[in-house]
Amino acid sequence: DQQVKQNSPSLSVQEGRISILNCDYTNSMFDYFLWYKKYPAEGPTFLISISSIKDKNEDGRFTVFLNKSAKHLSLHIVPSQPGDSAVYFCAASSRTGANSKLTFGKGITLSVRP
Amino acid sequence: NAGVTQTPKFQVLKTGQSMTLQCAQDMNHEYMSWYRQDPGMGLRLIHYSVGAGITDQGEVPNGYNVSRSTTEDFPLRLLSAAPSQTSVYFCASRRGTGELFFGEGSRLTVL
Repeated sequence: DQQVKQNSPSLSVQEGRISILNCDYTNSMFDYFLWYKKYPAEGPTFLISISSIKDKNEDGRFTVFLNKSAKHLSLHIVPSQPGDSAVYFCAASSRTGANSKLTFGKGITLSVRP
Repeated sequence: NAGVTQTPKFQVLKTGQSMTLQCAQDMNHEYMSWYRQDPGMGLRLIHYSVGAGITDQGEVPNGYNVSRSTTEDFPLRLLSAAPSQTSVYFCASRRGTGELFFGEGSRLTVL
């Protein structure tokens, strides 16, 4: 059973517009959520995270929103740039100890059109 | 900074052959892990380690062995490769419960 779901496999947006990437989770024990960005032939790189005690975290053009009651989070990229074109993975964990494991979704391919 | 280093970057094996994917990190991270990435499947955890001498299974451990004799190294062994193990493998490490730092990946093809 998939605990972290990214139901849309791809998203295409115009440069300068907002990109909204969605993620749902089923495990109510998850209390830490992260977004990773991956370019082809490279390893994933950390983008932004949010703890369950918050409902929003901002870092420059990137904002993550968390709705605990809906078990839903979203990543907003404003404004979108062609260099943002990549695969975005949502991930979640329960930070109960050093052995907490990070569970990833299947990823969303974002294409930003010039 | 080297970060997480994986070798080899590419490997082709025949069914039944064995090999080891190497992973080293220079950040003094206690936690290290191996993931595989397959089309439409995202990143799935194979094995992980919370420190030297301690390893545990992840979501898809069958067909893989690991050991952790030092803080820096976490090799992944395929004892008898199968075509189902064709994938891109990523090693990752972290300090505490923070974000994971990934290597660049090792692309394995099993014929």
